[in-house]
Amino acid sequence: QVQLVQSGAEVKKPGASVKVSCKASGYTFTSYAIHWVRQAPGQRPEWMGWISTANGNTKFSQKFQGRLTITSDTSASTAYMELRSLRSEDTAVYYCARETSLLLRLWGQGTLVTVSS
Amino acid sequence: DMQMTQSPSTLSASVGDRVTITCRASQSISSWLAWFQQKPGKAPKLLIYKASTLESGVPSRFSGSGSGTEFTLSISSLQPDDFATYFCQQYKDSPLTFGPGTKVDIK
Repeated sequence: QVQLVQSGAEVKKPGASVKVSCKASGYTFTSYAIHWVRQAPGQRPEWMGWISTANGNTKFSQKFQGRLTITSDTSASTAYMELRSLRSEDTAVYYCARETSLLLRLWGQGTLVTVSS
Repeated sequence: DMQMTQSPSTLSASVGDRVTITCRASQSISSWLAWFQQKPGKAPKLLIYKASTLESGVPSRFSGSGSGTEFTLSISSLQPDDFATYFCQQYKDSPLTFGPGTKVDIK
């Protein structure tokens, strides 16, 4: 069925990097952009950026400029989000979501990233 | 960035009640507003888009209205499955931004 399956939970130390994967199945990967959204405990979702899986173009929230990389591997139908120089405030559930006509209709199950010394 | 606010932050209600949640944008977003439902440990689920269009498969007891800067989500007769947190989200401008959420709990 149509779904996005993300990689498992991560625990990282401050200053480290994390890379989360998002594997798509059940549809043509390159037909839809993938967005990344994170949600800290008890907080609102926060949009991070997106990638056009058709051509690899990306756009990021200014808040994450310089620390965030979003890539995709069309042969594996997988998108990746890498966040560097982690700090405790980056502890959150990270979601990938498929965009359809500007709407985030299909979401992955989420990946908990914990940043702790 | 476009700022989104919601009220109330928490709403206590009973099964069968009609509930209304308000969302406000810091600038006009026309009708480029979506509503999501989120349950603990789960991803947000799209309920309504373009302020008032019901997503396929969403029960008709959910409805949305508004345009410009003020929007509402209504549930006509609250069901046990509806106890959750609701977020509005604008998609007129980048970055996409979400409201702080309204938790609907059992009175």
